[in-house]
Amino acid sequence: GESVGLHLPTLSVQEGDNSIINCAYSNSASDYFIWYKQESGKGPQFIIDIRSNMDKRQGQRVTVLLNKTVKHLSLQIAATQPGDSAVYFCAENMSQGAQKLVFGQGTRLTINP
Amino acid sequence: KAGVTQTPRYLIKTRGQQVTLSCSPISGHRSVSWYQQTPGQGLQFLFEYFSETQRNKGNFPGRFSGRQFSNSRSEMNVSTLELGDSALYLCASSSIPIDRGNSPLHFGNGTRLTVT
Repeated sequence: GESVGLHLPTLSVQEGDNSIINCAYSNSASDYFIWYKQESGKGPQFIIDIRSNMDKRQGQRVTVLLNKTVKHLSLQIAATQPGDSAVYFCAENMSQGAQKLVFGQGTRLTINP
Repeated sequence: KAGVTQTPRYLIKTRGQQVTLSCSPISGHRSVSWYQQTPGQGLQFLFEYFSETQRNKGNFPGRFSGRQFSNSRSEMNVSTLELGDSALYLCASSSIPIDRGNSPLHFGNGTRLTVT
């Protein structure tokens, strides 16, 4: 069935280092993927998205990589800052016949000073 | 542009009561989706409304219902509350339905419901 999961529930990195958050998805028909950031007391905030006809997309300090062969998605955050501390969710969607956007369980990113 | 607005921010109810949550989407967005977020289950899809019609529905019991008004504002209702309904209820809006194309959802900050 549809499922989106994350390899690690928590990730700690040093301030200034790069962070890589991973996500595995199981539905090969998924063709659109989104990364969200959720800070304490707030709703998920859109970070970046990627369509299945791409394998890489860059934003401001963030890069999303999509490997359809192994159904893997990753979010890279460059020069991690204290404000990057949050829970990060990946989500998959099928634009054809989809019923919903399916979210992974989330990874908590902690930045060490 | 103002973001997605949800009211109230916090609610405390007792078992058996019913509750109504409100959501105002981003101006111009006609799709509104509702999600339940709990520590154990994560983010789970409840339903989506577009142009006052329910387009998609998740796997929740009939106690969970919603509606959308002509101005795209949406309400969600939960009847006969159970302890397990305690959660953060998130509303998200989009310019197009989630099954019609690739457009991200933009979330509000949620309503924290506690059932005692």
